[in-house]
Amino acid sequence: GAVVSQHPSRVICKSGTSVKIECRSLDFQATTMFWYRQFPKQSLMLMATSNEGSKATYEQGVEKDKFLINHASLTLSTLTVTSAHPEDSSFYICSARDLIWGNYGYTFGSGTRLTVV
Amino acid sequence: AQTVTQSQPEMSVQEAETVTLSCTYDTSESDYYLFWYKQPPSRQMILVIRQEAYKQQNATENRFSVNFQKAAKSFSLKISDSQLGDAAMYFCAYRTQGGSEKLVFGKGTKLTVNP
Repeated sequence: GAVVSQHPSRVICKSGTSVKIECRSLDFQATTMFWYRQFPKQSLMLMATSNEGSKATYEQGVEKDKFLINHASLTLSTLTVTSAHPEDSSFYICSARDLIWGNYGYTFGSGTRLTVV
Repeated sequence: AQTVTQSQPEMSVQEAETVTLSCTYDTSESDYYLFWYKQPPSRQMILVIRQEAYKQQNATENRFSVNFQKAAKSFSLKISDSQLGDAAMYFCAYRTQGGSEKLVFGKGTKLTVNP
């Protein structure tokens, strides 16, 4: 089945530095990639939607200059947390929509636990 | 905007028994998709089952089935013969039509399976 590889699974960074999270669709073309943030014991909160070759669309309240999203190819999307602060510590998950099988449910990456110290 | 409501923050079931998780949603669209996702402690989101709104027949996947009541905007998940591996957070999701076709999630139900 469709697989989305998300890396790194865990990352610890110092306050003020930037962190890049990658999501790759391994066996399908991801026309659309969704980026979520999940706080402990809470639901997934959509941060932004990106389509290959286009600028990402951010949800209300999400700082686009802080959370940079790039979707340069049909198999790779990245989320860069710039100038990270402790409040950015969270679990980040990507989800890809397959051009052909998208109606069958979106495929999720395994998530990245970001800790900013 | 569409909303998804899961009114049961936590549920528990005995192994081998049946449990039903509730989900309601609000939408003005006539055609849409509904999903149940499972998130075990590993936090990997796993698709459990999906339902197309235009289909009257309830979806079934092995021990998992749904009760889709379109008029009532209800989409409950029934897990039969519960297994220890079913313990997880369960999220109901609605897929918007047009535009980005993003998923709108409920707040989730934590399912505990007791041996």
